[in-house]
Amino acid sequence: EAGVAQSPRYKIIEKRQSVAFWCNPISGHATLYWYQQILGQGPKLLIQFQNNGVVDDSQLPKDRFSAERLKGVDSTLKIQPAKLEDSAVYLCATAGPGQRMGGETQYFGPGTRLLVL
Amino acid sequence: GESVGLHLPTLSVQEGDNSIINCAYSNSASDYFIWYKQESGKGPQFIIDIRSNMDKRQGQRVTVLLNKTVKHLSLQIAATQPGDSAVYFCAENKGLDSSYKLIFGSGTRLLVRP
Repeated sequence: EAGVAQSPRYKIIEKRQSVAFWCNPISGHATLYWYQQILGQGPKLLIQFQNNGVVDDSQLPKDRFSAERLKGVDSTLKIQPAKLEDSAVYLCATAGPGQRMGGETQYFGPGTRLLVL
Repeated sequence: GESVGLHLPTLSVQEGDNSIINCAYSNSASDYFIWYKQESGKGPQFIIDIRSNMDKRQGQRVTVLLNKTVKHLSLQIAATQPGDSAVYFCAENKGLDSSYKLIFGSGTRLLVRP
């Protein structure tokens, strides 16, 4: 079974520039999450999708971050304009129902490492 | 506020010894907990999970213990191997209905000495 795919793997931009990340979920996984992981910390949830609808975006800085999941499959996360503090790894995770103990186990992609200069 | 945290940021063990990684959580309403392993340059990888109606669950070389009285979670790794070197995160799964959300702790780095 193919895992969660993310691209690009690395990105270096200057502050105030824009950047976009792409995620392709495991086939059949309806739930998709974007996390931000700052160096030395655990991942922090930014947004959760169920199919193509947003379930929770309470932690997404909406003045500069946006995300979409058109057609309920692939998803993109955009930052415009970027700030220095946005330097982090952006992880995509997807989940299918009923795989473990009644919960939705989240499977993570390799992440996109963003450096804002 | 709600949080999931870890007692030790770094744990160094001798190859072949057992490792114990601890985690404290503060939300007594959470009913599902997961341990993830994250190697350098990779995303978190599922290790083992446990529901709040259980005290213990075993996998291959790993055991998770849950003490709801003191809101404490631990991951035990038997016969630790060099490949176990990574950062380990406990995560608390909470959400309404089917909107499962993970709250991660800050992680413990496990170093295995040869």
